[in-house]
Amino acid sequence: DGGITQSPKYLFRKEGQNVTLSCEQNLNHDAMYWYRQDPGQGLRLIYYSQIVNDFQKGDIAEGYSVSREKKESFPLTVTSAQKNPTAFYLCATKTSGTGTDTQYFGPGTRLTVL
Amino acid sequence: AQSVTQLGSHVSVSEGALVLLRCNYSSSVPPYLFWYVQYPNQGLQLLLKYTSAATLVKGINGFEAEFKKSETSFHLTKPSAHMRDAAEYFCAVSDLGSSASKIIFGSGTRLSIRP
Repeated sequence: DGGITQSPKYLFRKEGQNVTLSCEQNLNHDAMYWYRQDPGQGLRLIYYSQIVNDFQKGDIAEGYSVSREKKESFPLTVTSAQKNPTAFYLCATKTSGTGTDTQYFGPGTRLTVL
Repeated sequence: AQSVTQLGSHVSVSEGALVLLRCNYSSSVPPYLFWYVQYPNQGLQLLLKYTSAATLVKGINGFEAEFKKSETSFHLTKPSAHMRDAAEYFCAVSDLGSSASKIIFGSGTRLSIRP
């Protein structure tokens, strides 16, 4: 069954703790993306990776870190340096190439920091 | 830099009425444009996309959008709304200026359907 898996769906953490969100894909897509979604603000790009062992900062990378050791996996760590981490986090993938390519989204992880 | 503006953060229509969700873009080069739908607590699903072929693009669930270069618009329409259309809709433009082909999203429009 092809697709994008994000786990867990809901995540609760205490303030000051680091937390890692999982994103796995079996679509054989080269590019992967992490977005943050807040009410009324649409999607904001955190990090993206076009190829294994390479990634770039998006528009709001401060307080976040990523790795891309395998093509299938692009985990996102929300560090204690992120001032307001409570949000809905979406992972997306895309075949590398032109801008016509569609981004496919996972089901999301809702992170709540208490 | 490219950008997209969605007019109206919330639109409410009666079941069976026309749905019109507005999107205007800013781009110095021919854009690629997308409409996505998001149901509560789920990821985004592609409704349709414009890639410089036909200006009238048909998508899933009976939605369509028309690319109007003179108006820099890409409004989403559906002739007759169903209760299941209640969701949040995002217009997006592909950032061709970036080698990563990033997508720039609008702030979204929440569509409510009245019985």
